[in-house]
Amino acid sequence: EPEVTQTPSHQVTQMGQEVILRCVPISNHLYFYWYRQILGQKVEFLVSFYNNEISEKSEIFDDQFSVERPDGSNFTLKIRSTKLEDSAMYFCASSVTEQGGSGELFFGEGSRLTVL
Amino acid sequence: AQSVTQLGSHVSVSEGALVLLRCNYSSSVPPYLFWYVQYPNQGLQLLLKYTSAATLVKGINGFEAEFKKSETSFHLTKPSAHMSDAAEYFCAVSDRSNNDMRFGAGTRLTVKP
Repeated sequence: EPEVTQTPSHQVTQMGQEVILRCVPISNHLYFYWYRQILGQKVEFLVSFYNNEISEKSEIFDDQFSVERPDGSNFTLKIRSTKLEDSAMYFCASSVTEQGGSGELFFGEGSRLTVL
Repeated sequence: AQSVTQLGSHVSVSEGALVLLRCNYSSSVPPYLFWYVQYPNQGLQLLLKYTSAATLVKGINGFEAEFKKSETSFHLTKPSAHMSDAAEYFCAVSDRSNNDMRFGAGTRLTVKP
């Protein structure tokens, strides 16, 4: 069964360093998303991406964040200069084919980011 | 914009007892509604979803939820709790027009032997 894959599963970085989290969405999906979950807290929406551009972003998604679909398969989240409060689990998701969708998002297993 | 509210951040039941996790939604358009389960140190697994077919939706692991438009609710139930049901449960809503999904704060279910 097709699935969303994320790498790395865990990354430890120093404050101020750049981090890139990678995702391979389900191949025939058109919408891509990043969500964040700080330990013990709710799953928060960061950004949605469609047709090679951001379609919506939350307040959390400030200038330190960017997303890119550099080729036909990868979808990346970059944090330019990490802060301690960026430590969280980051979930990638994808949804909707050309034939439409049911609103269901398919999530990856997550990438845990630890900022020291 | 759509949102969900989960009543009760922590629910504790005895093994074999009824599980009831509450979720109320707010949406300006007919919503899609979902329940996800998250086991410790794992990702999000879809339990069930409502997409405007039957209002009573059956999911995996014996869970079900009923969409009640008049109450703007989508509560999750299971007749008999099992130890393996202990996890965090998230209710979520998405807007049919843009597919963006928003999650509730989550309810941690503890099952006592």
